Amino acid sequence: KQEVTQIPAALSVPEGENLVLNCSFTDSAIYNLQWFRQDPGKGLTSLLLIQSSQREQTSGRLNASLDKSSGRSTLYIAASQPGDSATYLCAVNYAGGTSYGKLTFGQGTILTVHP
Amino acid sequence: KAGVTQTPRYLIKTRGQQVTLSCSPISGHRSVSWYQQTPGQGLQFLFEYFSETQRNKGNFPGRFSGRQFSNSRSEMNVSTLELGDSALYLCASSVAGVRNSPLHFGNGTRLTVT
Repeated sequence: KQEVTQIPAALSVPEGENLVLNCSFTDSAIYNLQWFRQDPGKGLTSLLLIQSSQREQTSGRLNASLDKSSGRSTLYIAASQPGDSATYLCAVNYAGGTSYGKLTFGQGTILTVHP
Repeated sequence: KAGVTQTPRYLIKTRGQQVTLSCSPISGHRSVSWYQQTPGQGLQFLFEYFSETQRNKGNFPGRFSGRQFSNSRSEMNVSTLELGDSALYLCASSVAGVRNSPLHFGNGTRLTVT
């Protein structure tokens, strides 16, 4: 079964810390892996998309890595800020067919950054 | 550029009723996907539409259906509502036919079934 798991379920850190969120997936045959952010009561905001052929992607203070052989991805957030507080979701677009809109999501990591 | 628009934002329905949710994708995006989000099950894929055709369907009963119009706008319908259908329903659009095009989500429709 194609699944996605995120660890930890929740994380609380003081402002300024660097932190790592983890994501694991069960099948290495993927098109891409995407990281999203969700604020309470809102939809998802796309943060980074890593293609199957890539090892990492960077955007500002965010860096995401992908290791297909081990079925793992990490999201690194540098110099965390209170505004980073949100739920972070990892989603995998498993290979097969042409349905690129079907993502399998992890349960998310609830991040709280306190001043 | 306007984002993905979902209407209505909130809905309260009674068991046994039916409901229709609407989604307008980003201009130029021709693929629309629908997801259900609940505290217990998380985000689950419902279905995906492209060029008015359903391209994929998740593991949901036949009470859940959808369609896409020629302007790429999409609707989903849930018939004979059950309490367990209470959820946040999210719509996402992407550039169709492009494998590594990120999904852009709307803010969702919060459905409460009483």
